[in-house]
Amino acid sequence: QKEVEQNSGPLSVPEGAIASLNCTYSDRVSQSFFWYRQYSGKSPELIMSIYSNGDKEDGRFTAQLNKASQYVSLLIRDSQPSDSATYLCAVNLNTGTASKLTFGTGTRLQVTL
Amino acid sequence: KAGVTQTPRYLIKTRGQQVTLSCSPISGHRSVSWYQQTPGQGLQFLFEYFSETQRNKGNFPGRFSGRQFSNSRSEMNVSTLELGDSALYLCASSRDPGQGINVLTFGAGSRLTVL
Repeated sequence: QKEVEQNSGPLSVPEGAIASLNCTYSDRVSQSFFWYRQYSGKSPELIMSIYSNGDKEDGRFTAQLNKASQYVSLLIRDSQPSDSATYLCAVNLNTGTASKLTFGTGTRLQVTL
Repeated sequence: KAGVTQTPRYLIKTRGQQVTLSCSPISGHRSVSWYQQTPGQGLQFLFEYFSETQRNKGNFPGRFSGRQFSNSRSEMNVSTLELGDSALYLCASSRDPGQGINVLTFGAGSRLTVL
């Protein structure tokens, strides 16, 4: 079982719709969770971070965390063509004094006109 | 505020050669992590350096090594290059990874092609 799993997609949504991206993780002691966006040929950029159960909203983006079910999701409201990218879920597997982020392989989102 | 700077951006090597990649973190960031990104495997963690010490290491062979200097700049080296080492190598810096909140800022990457 992979440590962080995402559906590779592509996930296709029409402009203006809500895009829902999901991620599951295997390590129950994971403490922090991140969504990165990566455009083709570019490096990942942080969109959202979430540390507590529940929802966290930032503009058109909402991250949802459920530690009991070990999943984290990202909702994008009013999807725009500029949102077309690969979205990477990352989980911080805290090893004490050091930590590392483990990434899923990403979900490719296509927003169609 | 300057971002994470990686050099070189592109390079082509042949099998058996070695390569050194450089990364300058954001000013004030003391942690530098390296990741390898390939289409099939996604982003895979190589290692993390903090205060010139390797604090974490991924599951890569010993041909992959790194170091960090007193000014937090980091280099990674790959010796005896193989075709499978062709990838985008991403460096990321963060302010303080020890508190379990590891917000990474990535550089543009160094794209390595091994022929």
